[in-house]
Amino acid sequence: GENVEQHPSTLSVQEGDSAVIKCTYSDSASNYFPWYKQELGKRPQLIIDIRSNVGEKKDQRIAVTLNKTAKHFSLHITETQPEDSAVYFCAGAGGTSYGKLTFGQGTILTVHP
Amino acid sequence: DAGVIQSPRHEVTEMGQEVTLRCKPISGHNSLFWYRQTMMRGLELLIYFNNNVPIDDSGMPEDRFSAKMPNASFSTLKIQPSEPRDSAVYFCASSFMTVQETQYFGPGTRLLVL
Repeated sequence: GENVEQHPSTLSVQEGDSAVIKCTYSDSASNYFPWYKQELGKRPQLIIDIRSNVGEKKDQRIAVTLNKTAKHFSLHITETQPEDSAVYFCAGAGGTSYGKLTFGQGTILTVHP
Repeated sequence: DAGVIQSPRHEVTEMGQEVTLRCKPISGHNSLFWYRQTMMRGLELLIYFNNNVPIDDSGMPEDRFSAKMPNASFSTLKIQPSEPRDSAVYFCASSFMTVQETQYFGPGTRLLVL
């Protein structure tokens, strides 16, 4: 089945800086990669996703890149704000694990004012 | 749209008791997922249904766990008997068609087994 590794486990940045979180996956047939944000005590919420037929997707200050050859994808947050502080999860699906979202272990992002 | 609804939001029980968690997916969604979240193991998929049929229950930890989806608008996750190591936040999520569509999570049930 799919295995998703996420790094770093914690990330601390100053307000206004950029933050990058990276994930690798094992199943070359996986084709859907969402990113979820989870604030303390709240539910995970989708912030952006990418499918394997594109290499990059942007939504305002958030972007995701995908390298199928290397089997890794990354979340980029620019001009970080304190409200970006949360746990971020990457996930992968499709291929031999069709029907399952396999989540990374999460990254605790702290944005200092 | 009310979103995914879960009940109860918090549950405290004693070891050995039966626990039943409930979920109402978003109307029109035909896939439903049960997840468990702990600090040690992160977010784990326990089981998912498509059109009310269990598709993959390989994540269910053991026979003490069971899940049902009697109709398109209701699902239960039952733990019997419960153990302290079952303490976690249990999320239900739903989506339309397949997992490669956005999954919407419910607020979760925080379970504590004493």
